[in-house]
Amino acid sequence: DTAVSQTPKYLVTQMGNDKSIKCEQNLGHDTMYWYKQDSKKFLKIMFSYNNKELIINETVPNRFSPKSPDKAHLNLHINSLELGDSAVYFCASSLGATGGSAEAFFGQGTRLTVV
Amino acid sequence: DAKTTQPNSMESNEEEPVHLPCNHSTISGTDYIHWYRQLPSQGPEYVIHGLTSNVNNRMASLAIAEDRKSSTLILHRATLRDAAVYYCIPKSNAGGTSYGKLTFGQGTILTVHP
Repeated sequence: DTAVSQTPKYLVTQMGNDKSIKCEQNLGHDTMYWYKQDSKKFLKIMFSYNNKELIINETVPNRFSPKSPDKAHLNLHINSLELGDSAVYFCASSLGATGGSAEAFFGQGTRLTVV
Repeated sequence: DAKTTQPNSMESNEEEPVHLPCNHSTISGTDYIHWYRQLPSQGPEYVIHGLTSNVNNRMASLAIAEDRKSSTLILHRATLRDAAVYYCIPKSNAGGTSYGKLTFGQGTILTVHP
């Protein structure tokens, strides 16, 4: 069983379209995240949710809207896609209550290409 | 967020030990030191973490300097599968907007030769 699974794995779409990436974790964690890895391989946090509540929003354009229907799911919806949104998006989860010692589990990533 | 400095790249031969250094001189007293690695075309993978004492697990060992301003990840016998980018990340124990956040630096690209 995959601990953190993302769908789709690859997404190619045209500029201006709206797309969603889904993430599910079966680890019983209460905190989930979205990270973005750009073409230079730099990984940066975008959002985090704890118990369905938004905790971190790292100055991401409001075209990006995360939604957490329950603790096991965190989806990422992107409106009006731009060329610069092309990147690999990683979902992750951890047990928030253990604070700084919590290890995070990452999904395999969704490679988004905007043409 | 504490700043980290790691070598851009390191090389090793298979079955030899590898010591990956990291400087984190601005680390907060309550920050944990985490190491993650990212294999090609995969998501980051947790390796090990520690606070003050040295730590061992099935993947690696973590040696933490007494002043906590640096640490070293030790792979006891490198394999080809260990070729990856290794990230050293001070992780806050605080809540609020630091909650669970991992701040990735550039990492060290480890190449393992057969």
